[in-house]
Amino acid sequence: ETGVTQSPTHLIKTRGQQVTLRCSSQSGHNTVSWYQQALGQGPQFIFQYYREEENGRGNFPPRFSGLQFPNYSSELNVNALELDDSALYLCASSLEGWGEAFFGQGTRLTVV
Amino acid sequence: DAKTTQPTSMDCAEGRAANLPCNHSTISGNEYVYWYRQIHSQGPQYIIHGLKNNETNEMASLIITEDRKSSTLILPHATLRDTAVYYCIPRAGQNQFYFGTGTSLTVIP
Repeated sequence: ETGVTQSPTHLIKTRGQQVTLRCSSQSGHNTVSWYQQALGQGPQFIFQYYREEENGRGNFPPRFSGLQFPNYSSELNVNALELDDSALYLCASSLEGWGEAFFGQGTRLTVV
Repeated sequence: DAKTTQPTSMDCAEGRAANLPCNHSTISGNEYVYWYRQIHSQGPQYIIHGLKNNETNEMASLIITEDRKSSTLILPHATLRDTAVYYCIPRAGQNQFYFGTGTSLTVIP
């Protein structure tokens, strides 16, 4: 167990809807990154939050947005869901963004 | 970030050493080499990382060539629980991890 928890574990949404995924980082970690993993692919970086500010973003459209809270937990929001958004969404936490990052077990999102 | 080349898949007999190679010929001087693994449908698990010296921990050993263009992850006594996809990831500082497609390791009884 890494101490990084994600909720919910599974979710089914309809195309066009909005979804919020949540992540609690490991105690003491102030950096949270989000990744999308499509079936059969490696995780793809969405964005990173460091001390409540976005600190880097991958090649994802603006309908993917996030927040980090003062306790360093984080949310990933996706608007106007598309079928291709179906994936495993992973959250990873680290200290200052350096060194090893510890991943949660992910949220499996299915868009129908 | 450096590109990596890893075998798509490998088999290893249970109890034997598993040697997983990675080519990262374009790695820059400040990029560490990280190894993660992902057991089916779980989050990636950190294994080990290094810059230019060989590293060992309770899970594995990491051998980095002197020119840093390639590395090998060694699992000394593979068990069935080591069956997973293994990712080699060069990374500098606070940059994000760029996962490739990794090596699917199957440990055979």
